[in-house]
Amino acid sequence: NAGVTQTPKFQVLKTGQSMTLQCAQDMNHEYMSWYRQDPGMGLRLIHYSVGAGITDQGEVPNGYNVSRSTTEDFPLRLLSAAPSQTSVYFCASSYWSDSLVDTQYFGPGTRLTVL
Amino acid sequence: KQEVTQIPAALSVPEGENLVLNCSFTDSAIYNLQWFRQDPGKGLTSLLLIQSSQREQTSGRLNASLDKSSGRSTLYIAASQPGDSATYLCAVRGNSGGSNYKLTFGKGTLLTVNP
Repeated sequence: NAGVTQTPKFQVLKTGQSMTLQCAQDMNHEYMSWYRQDPGMGLRLIHYSVGAGITDQGEVPNGYNVSRSTTEDFPLRLLSAAPSQTSVYFCASSYWSDSLVDTQYFGPGTRLTVL
Repeated sequence: KQEVTQIPAALSVPEGENLVLNCSFTDSAIYNLQWFRQDPGKGLTSLLLIQSSQREQTSGRLNASLDKSSGRSTLYIAASQPGDSATYLCAVRGNSGGSNYKLTFGKGTLLTVNP
């Protein structure tokens, strides 16, 4: 298994540009989520999904969109990038049923700089 | 709102020492608690997951305990090695209403083990 993969690993954008951060997992996990990690702020939840066609907002959703058309993929879209979105972005996945231990598996991260 | 605090923020110890990292949380209505390790520039790796009904989990030189009623968890590392140097993060999964799927992270403890 490849686990959780993220592309790209690094990205530089100009203010106002749009882009999509890709996330895929091959573990058939229902639950997928996006976090951003900033110095002194820790990891903060942006959006999450408990299955194909189901998404919900986390703690810091403004400026980000998500969709979940398949179990495997959970892309994060920045419609109009702002310098405040400069961060490291992590995608994570897990089982979410109460009958299964829901260890979270994280991708390697995408380092985004918005100029 | 759940808040997770990790103390100390940084810790430096000589090789071979036993050490304890602390994590506290404000809302005891949790589903589970997870300890992660993060190496510089990398994603998070799950170390141990403790369900709310459990008191502790062990993996090799690592032992994590959970006292849900007091809102505390500890990660014990025995016979520390330079390879243990990393940031250790604690995260709790909520067990009430819409927070069921959300992890709340502490800001981490940066551990340095000196040869």
